[in-house]
Amino acid sequence: AQSVAQPEDQVNVAEGNPLTVKCTYSVSGNPYLFWYVQYPNRGLQFLLKYITGDNLVKGSYGFEAEFNKSQTSFHLKKPSALVSDSALYFCAALPMDTGRRALTFGSGTRLQVQP
Amino acid sequence: GAVVSQHPSWVICKSGTSVKIECRSLDFQATTMFWYRQFPKQSLMLMATSNEGSKATYEQGVEKDKFLINHASLTLSTLTVTSAHPEDSSFYICSARQGSVSSNQPQHFGDGTRLSIL
Repeated sequence: AQSVAQPEDQVNVAEGNPLTVKCTYSVSGNPYLFWYVQYPNRGLQFLLKYITGDNLVKGSYGFEAEFNKSQTSFHLKKPSALVSDSALYFCAALPMDTGRRALTFGSGTRLQVQP
Repeated sequence: GAVVSQHPSWVICKSGTSVKIECRSLDFQATTMFWYRQFPKQSLMLMATSNEGSKATYEQGVEKDKFLINHASLTLSTLTVTSAHPEDSSFYICSARQGSVSSNQPQHFGDGTRLSIL
């Protein structure tokens, strides 16, 4: 079965410090990988995606993610966290070797940035 | 661009009533639409996938007769929760994508509907 794991329920970081939100995947083939952010009572907003090419992907709001094929990981990073980054972050994978392609989501990680 | 509008954003109703949630793609043709359910502090669980003009494909464990999905046009899909009960209370999120079920196009999400059944 396809799955995406986010091992941390919550990540706490001080404003101005770098942040990392972890994601590993178990999806067949070479999936596309995504990060989304969700604010309270809202849908998901797209941050970035990896399809192919450079392992470091840059996205919205200063976020970036590093793809590591050997570790099947796609960790989200930001060099300097802002209080406004506090939200729920979801990693997702889109399998490319099946006919029916829908995103599989991780369990989510709540990011709390303290002033 | 790629805006998905979901309505209503919040609904409270009595047990036994049916509730319809609308999902519209405002600036693109959504050949494929997805409906997700999210429980508090949990991830999004895919309920069903629908292609415009076709019957929806439901995920295992999702009751077809309970959650009726209609995708009659390229810009509108509806989810009707029939005879809703308190256990149906949840946050429902729709997502839309250009292209067929096997497309690589990105999924765009609505803002969700919080359904509370009393």
